[in-house]
This record gives sequence, C-alpha cells and structure tokens, in this order.
Amino acid sequence: GENVEQHPSTLSVQEGDSAVIKCTYSDSASNYFPWYKQELGKRPQLIIDIRSNVGEKKDQRIAVTLNKTAKHFSLHITETQPEDSAVYFCAASTNYGQNFVFGPGTRLSVLP
Amino acid sequence: ETGVTQSPTHLIKTRGQQVTLRCSSQSGHNTVSWYQQALGQGPQFIFQYYREEENGRGNFPPRFSGLQFPNYSSELNVNALELDDSALYLCASSSGTGLSYGYTFGSGTRLTVV
Repeated sequence: GENVEQHPSTLSVQEGDSAVIKCTYSDSASNYFPWYKQELGKRPQLIIDIRSNVGEKKDQRIAVTLNKTAKHFSLHITETQPEDSAVYFCAASTNYGQNFVFGPGTRLSVLP
Repeated sequence: ETGVTQSPTHLIKTRGQQVTLRCSSQSGHNTVSWYQQALGQGPQFIFQYYREEENGRGNFPPRFSGLQFPNYSSELNVNALELDDSALYLCASSSGTGLSYGYTFGSGTRLTVV
C-alpha cells in the first residue's frame, strides 16, 4: 500500500523567513495531495492541495510543488508569521480522495 | 465552525470495554470517513461510509466497526478496548467520494483507555 514520508520532523525558522517541508510517496497511482495544518488540540485544517495533473499551486504565502517522476511534493511557506506555528501533515490519496495516507507530520515553530 | 460535530469530546474507558463515538456530518454531505490519530502521529484511515454502506477500510481489526444512518450521521464502535486504542478519533465528511469534493474534519473525540 501507499507509504508517505515527511521531513523534517521539526523545523524552526525566524519570523519572516521561508519554511519548506518535503514529502515522498510510494504509490505512483496517487493522484491527490492535500496539506493540513493542525494547531494544538484542534482538528486538522486543509490549507492547500494539488492534483497529479498540476506541477505547482500557490495561494498567497503558501505554495505546493509536485514532482510525479520523483514521487515527491513540497510545501513552501514564505514570510512566516508566529501564527504559522503548528504541526503540518502531508497526505496522498490513491483512490480519488476516498482515503488519505498521512505523513508523520512536521512541527513548525516560527520564532519572533 | 465546520458543521461536522463529534461527541463526546473526551472519554475515558477501561481496557476490555466497548465504546461508541458519534459524528454528525456537515449539511449536504453524504460521506463520512473515520481516522485514528495517535499522539504525535498523522491520522490513519479506519473506514469510510457512503450512503449507509462501508466504502473502504484501512488496516484496522474487525473490533472497529461502524454505521451510517439515513441522515448520514455515523457511529464508530470499538469493542474489547486495548491501551493502544488511546487516540484522537477524527470524523470527516464530504459530499461524495471523489476528488471534486471537500473534506471537512470534525474536532475529534479524545479516547483514553486505562
């Protein structure tokens, strides 16, 4: 079955700097890749997603890139702010969104 | 709020007991998926219900079972609780099973097995 790896497990950046989180997946049939942000004690919230027919997608300070050949995708956050501090999860879906396989998460800390 | 509600928010059970968790899907959503999130880990897919039928299942034993009702609300039942079942249980609803449909998580039920 699908396996999703995520790096790094923790990331600290200075406010205003960029943060990059990388994920790899194993199943070439995966066709949908969402990213979720989870603050302490709260539910995961979708922040951006990308489909396999697109190489890059951007939404204000957040962007995601997908390399289907290498089977990896990345989350880029620019001009980081303290409220970006949270755990970020990548996920991959092999069955048109029926179920997601999540990565283990990255704890991002934005230092003031 | 998202419109997906889960109850109870917190629960403490003893090993060997049974538990039922509930999820009310967002209005207009006919698909409910359940995930288990252990502390410090990503959510793991348990199963999905679409129009009252199970529509996919992850790698969980049969003691994890579910139901979906005509109003599309859902229950997750866990029998013979084990200590490792302690986790945050998340319910997500969507208006279909395909890529075109949004996926909204509820706030979860935190289950502690002692």
